Amino acid sequence: GQNIDQPTEMTATEGAIVQINCTYQTSGFNGLFWYQQHAGEAPTFLSYNVLDGLEEKGRFSSFLSRSKGYSYLLLKELQMKDSASYLCAVKDSNYQLIWGAGTKLIIKP
Amino acid sequence: DADVTQTPRNRITKTGKRIMLECSQTKGHDRMYWYRQDPGLGLRLIYYSFDVKDINKGEISDGYSVSRQAQAKFSLSLESAIPNQTALYFCATRTSGTDTGELFFGEGSRLTVL
Repeated sequence: GQNIDQPTEMTATEGAIVQINCTYQTSGFNGLFWYQQHAGEAPTFLSYNVLDGLEEKGRFSSFLSRSKGYSYLLLKELQMKDSASYLCAVKDSNYQLIWGAGTKLIIKP
Repeated sequence: DADVTQTPRNRITKTGKRIMLECSQTKGHDRMYWYRQDPGLGLRLIYYSFDVKDINKGEISDGYSVSRQAQAKFSLSLESAIPNQTALYFCATRTSGTDTGELFFGEGSRLTVL
């Protein structure tokens, strides 16, 4: 079966750095997405990786290793507004998105 | 105004009732999707449509039906609602014209079936 694994919950301190991991086992791979979802709101797109390596976008970076079936989202200079769930999703060989359950990130002052 | 609008935002209904959730978009996207989100689970695809005359089942289509009335409108129906259909439902859109395939989500419709 297809599977996306992420930690259920993480806690970090304002101003610090946090890394949220995502491992996947899917039938084929055509890209990996990270979305941010604040409580009770819609998911919003953060990043897309299709090749190995690091993609940087402001305070957020996303890394992909296709050979390891692994990605991480790195958040720097954490702000209270970064408290949210972070969803990892993989596009499989049929170009369908397989979603992880999300990682709830709690930021403490 | 939101680019992807869902109505109603909240609905409480009883077992056996027919429910329709509506989605409209002003982004001009050709592809539209219905997902449900349950605590502790990833988003699960119910139905999707690549164009007005194209309807496809997702992984959990049983108990649901959809209608793509126009490029901008995609409705989800529960013919006879049951309690395990209590969930947060999201409509999403994307264009076929980008490599990333970024999805744009509506604000969600919270459905409770008693």
